[in-house]
Amino acid sequence: EVQLVESGGGLEQPGRSLRLSCTTSGFTFADYPMTWFRQPPGKGLEWVGFIRSSAYGGTTEYAASVKGRFTISRDDFRSIAYLQMNSLKTEDTAVYYCTRDTFPADYWGQGTLVTVSS
Amino acid sequence: DIVMTQSPDSLAVSVGERATISCKSSQTVFPGTTNKNYLAWYQQKPGQPPKLLIYWASTRQSGVPDRFSGSGSGTDFTLTISSLQAEDVAVYYCHQYYSPPWTFGQGTKVEIK
Repeated sequence: EVQLVESGGGLEQPGRSLRLSCTTSGFTFADYPMTWFRQPPGKGLEWVGFIRSSAYGGTTEYAASVKGRFTISRDDFRSIAYLQMNSLKTEDTAVYYCTRDTFPADYWGQGTLVTVSS
Repeated sequence: DIVMTQSPDSLAVSVGERATISCKSSQTVFPGTTNKNYLAWYQQKPGQPPKLLIYWASTRQSGVPDRFSGSGSGTDFTLTISSLQAEDVAVYYCHQYYSPPWTFGQGTKVEIK
């Protein structure tokens, strides 16, 4: 059974950093791109960025709103994807979802809430 | 960026009746070279992550009931629930994965009349 579990969310102050983890099981992690989405409370879905599989260089793409502040990485040995969030802003407050991407994303984690507030 | 616009924002349908949601993209999501439309539909129930219903505009994801169907091409797409059930109450999103940044429609809330 495919499973994705996000962790690392919580309350953080503006300007600080947070790292989210996405621990996966039930599929060959190294074979898949991984994508992060987010959803502000009561609002719609927003693409954050993705990382290609290592076979495709493990390169990344980001939304303009997070480019230069957020970094996605992957550990194929441990089957974990990461979202490093720096210089957090109040508008980054959202539930963050990790997904396995088959263009489109087919499996989603339950999400982890990130609240940015002073 | 490709802007996705759904209509209506909400609709109320009686159990057993048809529900239809429209989605329009500001640019085509059909590159022609692959003969596929890079358009998906997701269902999201309260407190849950989105669930993939339809991809390539009309291919039903495994396990999705056949009362859900997708159609359209280019810039105009439709999600149809042929016979609405109580468990279909949710917000539905269209999503283009043709060109980064991938984008979603604003969502359509489906309720029981």
